Amino acid sequence: DGGITQSPKYLFRKEGQNVTLSCEQNLNHDAMYWYRQDPGQGLRLIYYSQIVNDFQKGDIAEGYSVSREKKESFPLTVTSAQKNPTAFYLCASSAANQETQYFGPGTRLLVL
Amino acid sequence: DAKTTQPPSMDCAEGRAANLPCNHSTISGNEYVYWYRQIHSQGPQYIIHGLKNNETNEMASLIITEDRKSSTLILPHATLRDTAVYYCIVRYANDYKLSFGAGTTVTVRA
Repeated sequence: DGGITQSPKYLFRKEGQNVTLSCEQNLNHDAMYWYRQDPGQGLRLIYYSQIVNDFQKGDIAEGYSVSREKKESFPLTVTSAQKNPTAFYLCASSAANQETQYFGPGTRLLVL
Repeated sequence: DAKTTQPPSMDCAEGRAANLPCNHSTISGNEYVYWYRQIHSQGPQYIIHGLKNNETNEMASLIITEDRKSSTLILPHATLRDTAVYYCIVRYANDYKLSFGAGTTVTVRA
């Protein structure tokens, strides 16, 4: 089945620790995105990538980093600089930058 | 992006049609209307989108008024699994970002 997978479903971070969220897609999409959702709120864009080896900051990139070494993968690292990381993280992809975005199931990050 | 206005919540009877309204009075000529839904603790699911004409797919129908200032998403036969938050979004064709508002919480009751 074609789709977007995110792992893990739940992730716990200790103070001062970097953690990496995985996002993989087998839809052959060029563009990929990371959003953050806080309880009762809409989505906010963290980073996006239109093509392999290229990515741009979204509205709330501080404390996060990404890489795009392969077309199908767009991992997000939540660094220790992100002081309020507890949230629901959503990865999406689209055939091209302007096309419909499809979302993965999400990763819920909690701070211990 | 143009802003959208949706009712905060609505109830619907199982098996009946659910009509979800959305106002986007400041929409520009090349902005699309998109609908997504989000079931609790899951990622948003794409439903349908359109520019000017009405659209239909296996999930829903989208009716856009002639002046494009409002639209209605129609779920023809609501089921309990359609209970979710429904988001109406307007977006330029070349906009890389989706801007989700508060949406409409739809509860389908048996």
